[in-house]
Amino acid sequence: KQEVTQIPAALSVPEGENLVLNCSFTDSAIYNLQWFRQDPGKGLTSLLLIQSSQREQTSGRLNASLDKSSGRSTLYIAASQPGDSATYLCAVQKGTYKYIFGTGTRLKVLA
Amino acid sequence: GAGVSQSPSNKVTEKGKDVELRCDPISGHTALYWYRQSLGQGLEFLIYFQGNSAPDKSGLPSDRFSAERTGGSVSTLTIQRTQQEDSAVYLCASSLASWYEAFFGQGTRLTVV
Repeated sequence: KQEVTQIPAALSVPEGENLVLNCSFTDSAIYNLQWFRQDPGKGLTSLLLIQSSQREQTSGRLNASLDKSSGRSTLYIAASQPGDSATYLCAVQKGTYKYIFGTGTRLKVLA
Repeated sequence: GAGVSQSPSNKVTEKGKDVELRCDPISGHTALYWYRQSLGQGLEFLIYFQGNSAPDKSGLPSDRFSAERTGGSVSTLTIQRTQQEDSAVYLCASSLASWYEAFFGQGTRLTVV
């Protein structure tokens, strides 16, 4: 059974810091991995999708890496801003459609 | 529309009543998903549609839950005889095809009193 773990569960950093969020999964046979952010009381916003054949994806200040063999993905956020405060979720795609979600990292960036 | 749209955004219902939750996916997206997010819990897969067919209904918690999709577009999740444990945020997502990036709606917050 695929299990997805995110560490840390919560993180508080001062504005401007670079930070790394971690995601680990137990079954390396994944199709895709997608990172999302969720603001309180809102739905999920897609950040980055990494296909199984890729090692990383970048969008603006965000960079996500994938190491299937070790069952890990990291989301790197450069020069964090208060607007980055949210819960970050990683989801691994088992088979070609079902996403298994981690429990998230609650990030607070202090001004 | 520009994104996945869900309605209503909030629903309060009495225990034992039936409810219908609606999802309008992004136009042209063939894959559609329903997930549930309970308080303090992670996202739980409910059902996946490819076109109008649901090849995987394995996540539906009980036979009180059903879903359909018509015209390869709008989907409705129906919960019959609601129970308090059904209280959660129900999220819908769509993607161009199942292996493409998934986009989520804002969710329907269901409260059963």
